[in-house]
Amino acid sequence: DTAVSQTPKYLVTQMGNDKSIKCEQNLGHDTMYWYKQDSKKFLKIMFSYNNKELIINETVPNRFSPKSPDKAHLNLHINSLELGDSAVYFCASSGDREWPQETQYFGPGTRLLVL
Amino acid sequence: DQQVKQNSPSLSVQEGRISILNCDYTNSMFDYFLWYKKYPAEGPTFLISISSIKDKNEDGRFTVFLNKSAKHLSLHIVPSQPGDSAVYFCASYPGGTSYGKLTFGQGTILTVHP
Repeated sequence: DTAVSQTPKYLVTQMGNDKSIKCEQNLGHDTMYWYKQDSKKFLKIMFSYNNKELIINETVPNRFSPKSPDKAHLNLHINSLELGDSAVYFCASSGDREWPQETQYFGPGTRLLVL
Repeated sequence: DQQVKQNSPSLSVQEGRISILNCDYTNSMFDYFLWYKKYPAEGPTFLISISSIKDKNEDGRFTVFLNKSAKHLSLHIVPSQPGDSAVYFCASYPGGTSYGKLTFGQGTILTVHP
């Protein structure tokens, strides 16, 4: 009965590879997010989708491309991985008609290590 | 340009005592504030929130105080328990839309000793 799930939990890969991280939520939420937690532990928003529409797109390299096949899924594809992409990536979701509506529910994170 | 700052990277407290975690923000447009708690190898979980129209919100052992003029908020945990040991993130949100562009602080590691 996991609310927000991410796969894989760990990802170790070589520089230059392309990889995807998947996220699914079973909360019936309309909005999903991707965050990156870097080595300094800052959590920064990357993207947000509302009803499969991209609504937040922070200054993220074009190598990162989110895709939302439906409201319950938001995947993150990363091309040509670089060392600096090593981080923990968190998916989150929130419901527009929920109070407090800005409460976001996070997945367990995907730990990406680029060698 | 860090708009939300948690200047104490860590805090150590004895079980049963009060834990006070602090957070400062610079953007006066922020009108909604949240605290998240994070255990190792897990995602952040929502703890408590406060709207800028209030100066205090209480939920059990957790109370959040907001001082808008000082652009400061704090989370009080009374009494502290060993299970409260975690990283606490302060986050704020400008409001006005439903799309949750949260800005997080860098977190404070709380350790509660038995």
